[in-house]
Amino acid sequence: QTVVTQEPSLTVSPGGTVTLTCGSSTGAVTRGSYANWFQQKPGQAPRPLIYSTVNKHSWTPSRISGSLLGDKAALTLSGVQPEDEAEYYCLVYYGDTFVFGPGTKVTVL
Amino acid sequence: EVQLVQSGAEVKKPGESLKISCKASGYRFTTFWIGWVRQLPGEGLEWMGIIYPGDSDTKYTPSFRGQVAISVDMSRSVAFLQWSGLKTSDTAIYYCARMDYTSGWVLVDYLGQGTLVTVSS
Repeated sequence: QTVVTQEPSLTVSPGGTVTLTCGSSTGAVTRGSYANWFQQKPGQAPRPLIYSTVNKHSWTPSRISGSLLGDKAALTLSGVQPEDEAEYYCLVYYGDTFVFGPGTKVTVL
Repeated sequence: EVQLVQSGAEVKKPGESLKISCKASGYRFTTFWIGWVRQLPGEGLEWMGIIYPGDSDTKYTPSFRGQVAISVDMSRSVAFLQWSGLKTSDTAIYYCARMDYTSGWVLVDYLGQGTLVTVSS
């Protein structure tokens, strides 16, 4: 069974930078994994942030970016704002199926 | 404006059947995939499967195959998620999502507001 890995939790200071990663039990996450990233706040539906590794939606804040970091996909939040406190999930493509990571809880403190 | 509007909350008993819906508007329904996502209480997101309304091509995540059925009504631009025998472990919020899934990219851009399904005796 394919497992996607994410950091369980990360803490960042307001104005700081934090990088979340998304790995795979089957090997490297590559551009062909087409990672998508989502933000979810309590009581709300997930909000898409990044698609196909690096592409932003029209509503994605410019301080949020996606990339590959070694053998993982990465989501970087720069100039973190209090409203960035949320759960973040990656979604990875595995040839006709998709798997979510377990999520990273980002705390702004 | 693209919108996915899901049907309302449901309370069911174990063994009962259920069909929840996701009404799409603001785009050509037959040209984007629709996916379904489960979120158990207090837990993370799980990808259940996707359907292409243009030809009803359906792909299930292995753990959900045989447990649910995904379908569409093209004439009404509605996608469905269906159970024939609910279990208490099906209690969750279910989201539909629009996906553009072609050679060269995967894009999930809009999600419905979610449907809470509660299964309890």
